Amino acid sequence: GENVEQHPSTLSVQEGDSAVIKCTYSDSASNYFPWYKQELGKRPQLIIDIRSNVGEKKDQRIAVTLNKTAKHFSLHITETQPEDSAVYFCAAVSNTGFQKLVFGTGTRLLVSP
Amino acid sequence: DAGVIQSPRHEVTEMGQEVTLRCKPISGHDYLFWYRQTMMRGLELLIYFNNNVPIDDSGMPEDRFSAKMPNASFSTLKIQPSEPRDSAVYFCASSFGTSGKTEQFFGPGTRLTVL
Repeated sequence: GENVEQHPSTLSVQEGDSAVIKCTYSDSASNYFPWYKQELGKRPQLIIDIRSNVGEKKDQRIAVTLNKTAKHFSLHITETQPEDSAVYFCAAVSNTGFQKLVFGTGTRLLVSP
Repeated sequence: DAGVIQSPRHEVTEMGQEVTLRCKPISGHDYLFWYRQTMMRGLELLIYFNNNVPIDDSGMPEDRFSAKMPNASFSTLKIQPSEPRDSAVYFCASSFGTSGKTEQFFGPGTRLTVL
């Protein structure tokens, strides 16, 4: 089955810096890669996703890149703000998995003012 | 739409008691997922349903856990008997997968504490 690894487990940055979180996956059949943000005590919420037919997707200060050959994908947050502080989860869905998300272990991002 | 609804939001029980968690998915969604979140194990998929039919229950930890979806608007996750190691936040999520959309919408979660 699919296995998703995520690094780093914690990341501290100063406000205004960029933050990068990286994930690798094992199943070459995976074709959908969402990123969820979970604020303290709240539910995970989708912030951006990418499908395997594109290499990069941007949404304002957030971007995701995908390298299918290397089987890794990354989340990039530019001009970080204190409200970006949260736990970020990457995930992968195999086209044989009927919507089954396999999550990474999460990255706790702390943005200091 | 009110989003995914879960009840109760908090549950404190004693070891050995039966616990039932409830979920109402977003109307029209055809997939429903149960997750468990702990510090040690992260976010784990327990079971998911498509059109009320269980598709994959390989994440259910043991026979003490069971889940049902009697209709499109209601699902339960039952733990009997409960143990302290079951303490976690349990999330329900739903999606409209048949449309090709894969975003899962999570409920607010149920924080379970087993003493």
